[in-house]
Amino acid sequence: AQSVTQPDIHITVSEGASLELRCNYSYGATPYLFWYVQSPGQGLQLLLKYFSGDTLVQGIKGFEAEFKRSQSSFNLRKPSVHWSDAAEYFCAVGGYKLSFGAGTTVTVRA
Amino acid sequence: EAQVTQNPRYLITVTGKKLTVTCSQNMNHEYMSWYRQDPGLGLRQIYYSMNVEVTDKGDVPEGYKVSRKEKRNFPLILESPSPNQTSLYFCASSGTAGGYGYTFGSGTRLTVV
Repeated sequence: AQSVTQPDIHITVSEGASLELRCNYSYGATPYLFWYVQSPGQGLQLLLKYFSGDTLVQGIKGFEAEFKRSQSSFNLRKPSVHWSDAAEYFCAVGGYKLSFGAGTTVTVRA
Repeated sequence: EAQVTQNPRYLITVTGKKLTVTCSQNMNHEYMSWYRQDPGLGLRQIYYSMNVEVTDKGDVPEGYKVSRKEKRNFPLILESPSPNQTSLYFCASSGTAGGYGYTFGSGTRLTVV
């Protein structure tokens, strides 16, 4: 069965500092992997996706993620966080049957 | 504008009173899905559909029904809602077998009292 684990429930980061969100997945084949962001009271927006090719993928809003098959991980990074990045972030694996992690809430302090 | 539209955005109902949450997409997508979001649990898939008249259960289908009579519409039906179905519901659609990710609607906040 496919599943996603996001080990960090909540992360606080200073504005301008770097951010890394962890994601570990379980999937029986080459996975489709996604990161979504949800701002308070909003729906989910796709940040980036991976399904083949270069293991370092670029997304919107300055985010990137690296797929590491040996570690079953797909961690999300941003070099310099802005206050508007405060949100909840979800990692997901699968295709039309898409499984999500429990999410990581990011707080940005001034 | 390409979008997934859910209605209503907010709904308060009583236990046992049948309700339908509508979902429509204007992107001619084959795949559609319903999720519920609960604190600490992330999003869990209720049902998904691969095309008209083709639906399948997700991880938490109990207490829900769906239908896909037209490509653009995928309503979620709660025949006899219970308080444990109080949640935030999202409809989503995708034009491939999920390989490009789902586009999500704005959500429906359902409260069952």
